Amino acid sequence: DIQVTQSPSSLSASLGDRVTITCRASQGIIKNLVWFQQKPGKAPEPLIYTASTLRSGVPSRFSGSVSGTDFTLTINSLQPEDFATYYCQQYHGYPLTFGRGTRLEIK
Amino acid sequence: EVQLVESGGGLVQPGGSLRLSCAASGFISTDHYMDWVRQAPGKGLEWVGRSRNKTKSYTTEYAASVKGRFTISRGDLQNSLYLQMNSLKAEDTAMYYCARVHAANWYFDLWGPGTLVTVSS
Repeated sequence: DIQVTQSPSSLSASLGDRVTITCRASQGIIKNLVWFQQKPGKAPEPLIYTASTLRSGVPSRFSGSVSGTDFTLTINSLQPEDFATYYCQQYHGYPLTFGRGTRLEIK
Repeated sequence: EVQLVESGGGLVQPGGSLRLSCAASGFISTDHYMDWVRQAPGKGLEWVGRSRNKTKSYTTEYAASVKGRFTISRGDLQNSLYLQMNSLKAEDTAMYYCARVHAANWYFDLWGPGTLVTVSS
């Protein structure tokens, strides 16, 4: 199975801050990784797919990058609506696997 | 409107069975791979399984934790996806989501709001 190790598990930040969340895949997955945002009581919503492609309608303060098996989600200039839990997920091979999530909280 | 809506969740005893449904609207679900994903209360997301599209004869894949107990199927006329869950365990308690796989980019691009399954005596 392809493991996806996400860090940190939680993060405190202030409005206007820049934050980064990382996921490391246990083997090469090319760019087959998506980032989701999930708010309490809601289904996840995709933000970035193929590691770095911003989904239509998602604010440009969100960006994704990849270096080898290391994937990064960056959020610039945090807004109130960005405080949520973020998950990465690889769709390169079965079983599909998710990172354990990063809870982004207001400092 | 393009959407997915799950139904069929509820309280079931350990060892029991439950069938979840996912109704698709606004698009032809048989053209897409469709998956089930679950989330235990306060926990992360776990992939359950997949039904490939009509072109791929609706073949399936499952997570090891549910293989042999859960079955994913399709209902063409109703544009629906199903999850038959047998031999349920307490650890199957979760919110169950159906999700559509983007046809070109392979990520989950559309999710339903979920249906809650509680396995308890």
